[in-house]
Amino acid sequence: DIQMTQSPSSLSASVGDRVTITCRASQNIDSHLNWYQQKPGKAPRLLIYAASSLQSGVPSRFSGSGSGTDFTLTISSLQPEDFATYYCQQSHRTPRTFGQGTKVDVK
Amino acid sequence: QVQLQQWGAGLLKPSETLSLTCAVYGGSFSGYYWTWIRQPPGKGLEWIGEINYSGSTNYNPSLKSRVTISLDTSKNQFSLKLSSVTAADTAVYYCARTPYDRNYGNPTYFDYWGQGTLVTVSS
Repeated sequence: DIQMTQSPSSLSASVGDRVTITCRASQNIDSHLNWYQQKPGKAPRLLIYAASSLQSGVPSRFSGSGSGTDFTLTISSLQPEDFATYYCQQSHRTPRTFGQGTKVDVK
Repeated sequence: QVQLQQWGAGLLKPSETLSLTCAVYGGSFSGYYWTWIRQPPGKGLEWIGEINYSGSTNYNPSLKSRVTISLDTSKNQFSLKLSSVTAADTAVYYCARTPYDRNYGNPTYFDYWGQGTLVTVSS
């Protein structure tokens, strides 16, 4: 299985902060990397697909970059509705695997 | 507007079979993979498996011996069965749509999700 490792596991930030979350794959996954946002009691929401493509309807303050094994999700200016848990997921091979999640909470 | 609506039994005893169904409203049923994902309480996401319109399946090896995913194209529905459940199978189960990348020849991301069903296994 391809292991996905996110860092940090949690972070505290303030509204307006620039937030960066990293995801590392245990082997080369090209650009087959997706990012999701999950709020308590809700299904995950797709933010970024193919490493850097913004899903329709997702605010432009979210961006993704990377290829190969190292990827980044950036929130340029954190908004109140962005406090949530974020997951990366590889679609390069089965089984599809997720990172362990990064919880973004209020500083 | 695509919507996935799922249902099934929420309380099971050990050794019973989990059974969930997901109905797809709006959009095309063909041309996609259809996926099941679960999330134990307070933990991360685990991919269970996927099925395409032709009925071809891929399963997580950790669950493969107990999992069956099937579809009913006449009703735009797909289903999950997980046999011999234990407390370790307690989780919120989600269904999701997965577009297929014809250039790469692979399913991609999960763009529409069901509302989730909490399944608790307890004696």
